[in-house]
Amino acid sequence: DAGVIQSPRHEVTEMGQEVTLRCKPISGHNSLFWYRQTMMRGLELLIYFNNNVPIDDSGMPEDRFSAKMPNASFSTLKIQPSEPRDSAVYFCASSWQGDGYTFGSGTRLTVV
Amino acid sequence: DQQVKQNSPSLSVQEGRISILNCDYTNSMFDYFLWYKKYPAEGPTFLISISSIKDKNEDGRFTVFLNKSAKHLSLHIVPSQPGDSAVYFCAASDYPQGGSEKLVFGKGTKLTVNP
Repeated sequence: DAGVIQSPRHEVTEMGQEVTLRCKPISGHNSLFWYRQTMMRGLELLIYFNNNVPIDDSGMPEDRFSAKMPNASFSTLKIQPSEPRDSAVYFCASSWQGDGYTFGSGTRLTVV
Repeated sequence: DQQVKQNSPSLSVQEGRISILNCDYTNSMFDYFLWYKKYPAEGPTFLISISSIKDKNEDGRFTVFLNKSAKHLSLHIVPSQPGDSAVYFCAASDYPQGGSEKLVFGKGTKLTVNP
């Protein structure tokens, strides 16, 4: 089992550019979560999907952020346009019925 | 409003001694609690959990205690080892009663175990 796979591991982009983060959950897991980690706010949930359907997106900061899960094995988090305050580590996690919650290694995003 | 609080940003202990990490929560609907451990440049990894129907859960050197009336839980590591040096996150969930699978995390406590 390869675990939760995120790409890229690091992303440096200029302000105003579009950024796309990718996640492949563990096979068989039916829930997928996007978290953001910052020094000020710690680990905060942005959005989560159950059976590919967005269930709770109350943590998405603003309209610049969007997330999709077109199938059970792939999800994207997109920021357009990106801003320096979006710089953070973004984690994807997956679980089965709230069990076996497993995180990926994260994407460190730097917006300059 | 921070529903899960870890008031100590850092903790330093000597190898072989006990490490005690604390966590408080405000939402009385939480009934499942977890501790995660995070090394630099890696994602958090699950360490130990406890259901609200219990007040203690033990797994090797790690024990979690839950005091529901005080809305407080703690993680004990005995004996502490240098490899335990990491950031520890407390997390809480109201699943399945609350219907949401999301975990609410504290900001973490950085544990340093000195040889």
